[in-house]
Amino acid sequence: GAVVSQHPSWVICKSGTSVKIECRSLDFQATTMFWYRQFPKQSLMLMATSNEGSKATYEQGVEKDKFLINHASLTLSTLTVTSAHPEDSSFYICSARGGHAEAFFGQGTRLTVV
Amino acid sequence: AQTVTQSQPEMSVQEAETVTLSCTYDTSESDYYLFWYKQPPSRQMILVIRQEAYKQQNATENRFSVNFQKAAKSFSLKISDSQLGDAAMYFCAYRSAPGGGTSYGKLTFGQGTILTVHP
Repeated sequence: GAVVSQHPSWVICKSGTSVKIECRSLDFQATTMFWYRQFPKQSLMLMATSNEGSKATYEQGVEKDKFLINHASLTLSTLTVTSAHPEDSSFYICSARGGHAEAFFGQGTRLTVV
Repeated sequence: AQTVTQSQPEMSVQEAETVTLSCTYDTSESDYYLFWYKQPPSRQMILVIRQEAYKQQNATENRFSVNFQKAAKSFSLKISDSQLGDAAMYFCAYRSAPGGGTSYGKLTFGQGTILTVHP
């Protein structure tokens, strides 16, 4: 299968600061990327869908000004958590889809806000 | 909107035995895909098996097979000859068929089932 690399794997940041998470498709062009959030022992909840070169579509209840998503190229999408607070601590997972039917997942990023 | 329900928060099985994980879904679409994903402690999502709704034949991948009942909107996963490495959280997921526009590829997940395998 295709490879999606997510970086960093884990990050700790201070409350009030911003943190950026990168999602890269290594061997295919990702026309669409999806960002999910997962709390411990819970399901994955879709936050937003991004298509290369256009604005992201956010799911209901997700603050677009807090979770900034950029998909500037066919191999890279970024999620920036702005002014992070402890309640933003979670596991964030991206997945990417190109010309094939499947969407492939990154390894995930564990964010801890202290 | 589509919904996916996994009614078993936790399941356990003895090594070498068989276990079945349940999943039901709700949709008004006639063509779609269903998936089972495995999430081990590393939290990397791993695709276990995929079923296209237009195919009547149940999908099989080695020790993993599904029982797809389209009319009942049921999609269970059977794991045969369970191994210690099968221990993980399993998610059932739904995806619309091609033609779903720019959101094609978006997955709707069930709540997950934690599977424990006893030696």
